[in-house]
Amino acid sequence: KQEVTQIPAALSVPEGENLVLNCSFTDSAIYNLQWFRQDPGKGLTSLLLIQSSQREQTSGRLNASLDKSSGRSTLYIAASQPGDSATYLCAGTNAGNMLTFGGGTRLMVKP
Amino acid sequence: GAVVSQHPSRVICKSGTSVKIECRSLDFQATTMFWYRQFPKQSLMLMATSNEGSKATYEQGVEKDKFLINHASLTLSTLTVTSAHPEDSSFYICSAPQGGVAFGYTFGSGTRLTVV
Repeated sequence: KQEVTQIPAALSVPEGENLVLNCSFTDSAIYNLQWFRQDPGKGLTSLLLIQSSQREQTSGRLNASLDKSSGRSTLYIAASQPGDSATYLCAGTNAGNMLTFGGGTRLMVKP
Repeated sequence: GAVVSQHPSRVICKSGTSVKIECRSLDFQATTMFWYRQFPKQSLMLMATSNEGSKATYEQGVEKDKFLINHASLTLSTLTVTSAHPEDSSFYICSAPQGGVAFGYTFGSGTRLTVV
């Protein structure tokens, strides 16, 4: 059974800092890995999707990497802004189309 | 991109009543819909998987008679919380593959259920 872990659980940084969020998974037989953003009381917004055959994906100030052999993915946020404050969730898709979520990282970017 | 519309966004109901939550795929056909529950400051917990034309599959520990799921068409899935109690108060979110697992998943905006 796939298990996904995110570290750290919470992170507070000053505006402008570059930061890395970590995600690890136990079953390397994933089809893809997806990063989401969730604002308080809201649904999930998809940020980046990395297929199992890919190493990374980029969108604006966001870059996500995937290393299946080590069971790790990272989300890099460049030049963080207060508007980036949210909870970031990673999730892996395995056989049966099952999406397994990590516990999330609550990010606070202070002005 | 693919959009899943979820309604209502918030609902307050009295204990013992039933509440229906709808999720519609607006620009794609969702043969499968996943229903999640989320408690404050926790991650999403999969409750059940609905498939158009067949019975829903429930995760261990989820009462299928309490959480009724119907996948009436390729664009509509509903979750009905029957005889709701305060402990059912939570955030419920639906999700569907965006035309195939390779394209990832899109999520509804969630429903905040409060049972008083």
